[in-house]
Amino acid sequence: SYELTQPPSVSVSPGQTARITCSGDALPKKYAYWYQQKSGQAPVLVIYEDSKRPSGIPERVSGSSSGTMATLTISGAQVEDEADYYCYSSDSGINGVFGGGTKLTVL
Amino acid sequence: EVQLVESGGALVQPGGSLRLSCAASGFTFNKYWMTWVRQAPGKGLEWVATIKEEGSEKYYVDSVKGRFTASRDNAKNSLFLEMNSLRGDDTAVYYCARGMRYPDYWGQGTLVTVSS
Repeated sequence: SYELTQPPSVSVSPGQTARITCSGDALPKKYAYWYQQKSGQAPVLVIYEDSKRPSGIPERVSGSSSGTMATLTISGAQVEDEADYYCYSSDSGINGVFGGGTKLTVL
Repeated sequence: EVQLVESGGALVQPGGSLRLSCAASGFTFNKYWMTWVRQAPGKGLEWVATIKEEGSEKYYVDSVKGRFTASRDNAKNSLFLEMNSLRGDDTAVYYCARGMRYPDYWGQGTLVTVSS
């Protein structure tokens, strides 16, 4: 079955840039999406179609994709950005798939 | 404002059945595909099922095929997930979410615990 691979954890100091990667063989042909999930809460969409930001998501959050890798970048990371981040895409058909998730620590 | 409210989660024995519901409001329900996603305790998100606007097409993750059935009642703006032959690894928070290509709005989830 199709898989998306993320690093389990990323750690940065406040004000630094955090980059979270997501690799998958179908990403050259499929969009990547990113979700933020804070402890005890439902996921929130932060990036759609590789690089677009939904309304209400701060400009310091950005996305990009090249080849088989998509990247979520948080510039000037803040303590409130601490969360689990999941990439999402689809296989060759309709079936969705999530990456394993990356725990972002800002301290 | 888009709202999705799940209900029906409970403690159920292995081999048992359960029906989850999701009440939708704030958007034209019959114009959107809908999706179920689950999250086992302390684990990541897992896509479970997606159902087309009128219910004619349904897609499932392999681990629930033949056991789970997604359905919807567009007249009542409601989404359902019928779960049979439940196993311990079905224990999770189940979220309903709007969308097919990607879930954009999510409910707060309902907890299903499968245990004897």
